[in-house]
Amino acid sequence: DTAVSQTPKYLVTQMGNDKSIKCEQNLGHDTMYWYKQDSKKFLKIMFSYNNKELIINETVPNRFSPKSPDKAHLNLHINSLELGDSAVYFCASSQVGLGGKETQYFGPGTRLLVL
Amino acid sequence: AQKVTQAQTEISVVEKEDVTLDCVYETRDTTYYLFWYKQPPSGELVFLIRRNSFDEQNEISGRYSWNFQKSTSSFNFTITASQVVDSAVYFCALSELSWGSARQLTFGSGTQLTVLP
Repeated sequence: DTAVSQTPKYLVTQMGNDKSIKCEQNLGHDTMYWYKQDSKKFLKIMFSYNNKELIINETVPNRFSPKSPDKAHLNLHINSLELGDSAVYFCASSQVGLGGKETQYFGPGTRLLVL
Repeated sequence: AQKVTQAQTEISVVEKEDVTLDCVYETRDTTYYLFWYKQPPSGELVFLIRRNSFDEQNEISGRYSWNFQKSTSSFNFTITASQVVDSAVYFCALSELSWGSARQLTFGSGTQLTVLP
């Protein structure tokens, strides 16, 4: 009964490859996010989707393309992987409540290593 | 632009000591939310607390307590009688309305807490 799940947990791949990370939430939330955590543990938002619609798109190379087939899923596809893409990628979900109350719940993270 | 500063990069304490993790934020919004998350060595991000900008009451949950002071834009986190299992990276985060219905979380750089036996 995991709330926010991500697959795979670990991903090791060669430079230039294309890979995808999947995220699913069973919390019934409307909004989902992708964050990147670099080697210094710094967390930064990449994308956000609300009801399958892209609403936040930070300055991220267009090699990164999020896709939301339904509001419970938000996948991240990365083309032409580069060494600098090595990081931990976190998916999160949230539901805005009364008065704008919202808490983001995070998945376990996907550790991507590009060789 | 919003900003969260956690000036303490690393803290080491001996078990049973009390420890306070500092968080200072900057925002132009009058309505915002502050959060603390814990990232243990296993790597997941665990939500600890949310506090809205209109509620300056301090909160206590077991050995954890939070001190929100709007006048100094601080939201500090204290662990009383620390335990080895408290060893983790702790992140303070600020949420402002971005656009649409999403509130963008801005994280501090984290404080690595090590509790020694």
